[in-house]
Amino acid sequence: EAEVAQSPRYKITEKSQAVAFWCDPISGHATLYWYRQILGQGPELLVQFQDESVVDDSQLPKDRFSAERLKGVDSTLKIQPAELGDSAMYLCASSPVGRTYGYTFGSGTRLTVV
Amino acid sequence: AQKVTQAQTEISVVEKEDVTLDCVYETRDTTYYLFWYKQPPSGELVFLIRRNSFDEQNEISGRYSWNFQKSTSSFNFTITASQVVDSAVYFCALRGSGGSNYKLTFGKGTLLTVNP
Repeated sequence: EAEVAQSPRYKITEKSQAVAFWCDPISGHATLYWYRQILGQGPELLVQFQDESVVDDSQLPKDRFSAERLKGVDSTLKIQPAELGDSAMYLCASSPVGRTYGYTFGSGTRLTVV
Repeated sequence: AQKVTQAQTEISVVEKEDVTLDCVYETRDTTYYLFWYKQPPSGELVFLIRRNSFDEQNEISGRYSWNFQKSTSSFNFTITASQVVDSAVYFCALRGSGGSNYKLTFGKGTLLTVNP
């Protein structure tokens, strides 16, 4: 069964440092999503890509977060500088084009900022 | 705006008991999709079911069943004869049909603990 690959699985970083997460969606999935899940909460969308274009980044803290999907395949989410409040699970998901299809989520990157 | 409410923060049951997880949603879209996901301690989100707004038939899959009622904007999830392996956080989610934004709006989740 095809999977969404994410790395690293766990990341511990000091505040004010830079950190990056990588996501490789299922082959052929044009839509890619980054979600952030704070402990005890449901996931919230940070950014959505359609191919290499950003469709929605309204909830992305753009002063410190950036995301790119240069060739419309894999994607990188970066935080610089990291803050204590960024500690969370970062989930990547992908889906084919079209609203009738479901998502496939990756296993996530659990970030701890110390 | 879309909203999903899971009023039950935590539920604890003894193995073999039946348990129902509640989900109430809000949307202005006439076409929308409802989902349930399971999140075990390892963290990944496991897809359980997708239901579109045109299909109000209840669905059963093994020990799992779902009750969709548009009149009350609810999409409840029942586990029959619960097992310890069912222990996880369960999320209800909603996707509308507005424009090209197909993001999922999640509830805050219900932590289910099944005790032996």
